[in-house]
Amino acid sequence: DVKVTQSSRYLVKRTGEKVFLECVQDMDHENMFWYRQDPGLGLRLIYFSYDVKMKEKGDIPEGYSVSREKKERFSLILESASTNQTSMYLCASSLWAGKSTDTQYFGPGTRLTVL
Amino acid sequence: QKEVEQDPGPLSVPEGAIVSLNCTYSNSAFQYFMWYRQYSRKGPELLMYTYSSGNKEDGRFTAQVDKSSKYISLFIRDSQPSDSATYLCAMSGLLGGANSKLTFGKGITLSVRP
Repeated sequence: DVKVTQSSRYLVKRTGEKVFLECVQDMDHENMFWYRQDPGLGLRLIYFSYDVKMKEKGDIPEGYSVSREKKERFSLILESASTNQTSMYLCASSLWAGKSTDTQYFGPGTRLTVL
Repeated sequence: QKEVEQDPGPLSVPEGAIVSLNCTYSNSAFQYFMWYRQYSRKGPELLMYTYSSGNKEDGRFTAQVDKSSKYISLFIRDSQPSDSATYLCAMSGLLGGANSKLTFGKGITLSVRP
């Protein structure tokens, strides 16, 4: 079974702090994604990476950065956390190897609260 | 117009009912259509996947795609309390590399009453 793990289930930080959210997948997937999920707004893509050191902006990249130094690990960084970044953060990975299907497998999520 | 529209719900049905969940979309390039199910405090998991138009059945679940109308549906027969969850539609065009992202609907929360 594919396993996507996220470093924390719940996190509380203060405004202005630098926050790191870590995601690890164990299936050698090429693609990794970071989303945030808010009531009434659904899942919104922040950044994704389709290869080591490669990244693409999603729909809402402002205030976030990412790092992918190893294939299995994708980090989301909030340089200076703000209260409007309080949300559920979901990491996902998918395999792209010339196949027609590209199922995304999600981690359990990190509930981040910024005070 | 948003790329993907999904009825916001919530939806409450009695056990045993047939449930119909729908999404419409505007991007003609979408070819891959998926339904994800998300239980409370968990990440979404893939439920059904369909390529292009047509029907796909898996047990009590049927996914339908009508590309001419830009409309997709998920039907749940003999609904059970364990089907209570949020259902998200998702779709994409060409896959691979920088094209690998999915566009999600906002999700609809279904509650099946015993």
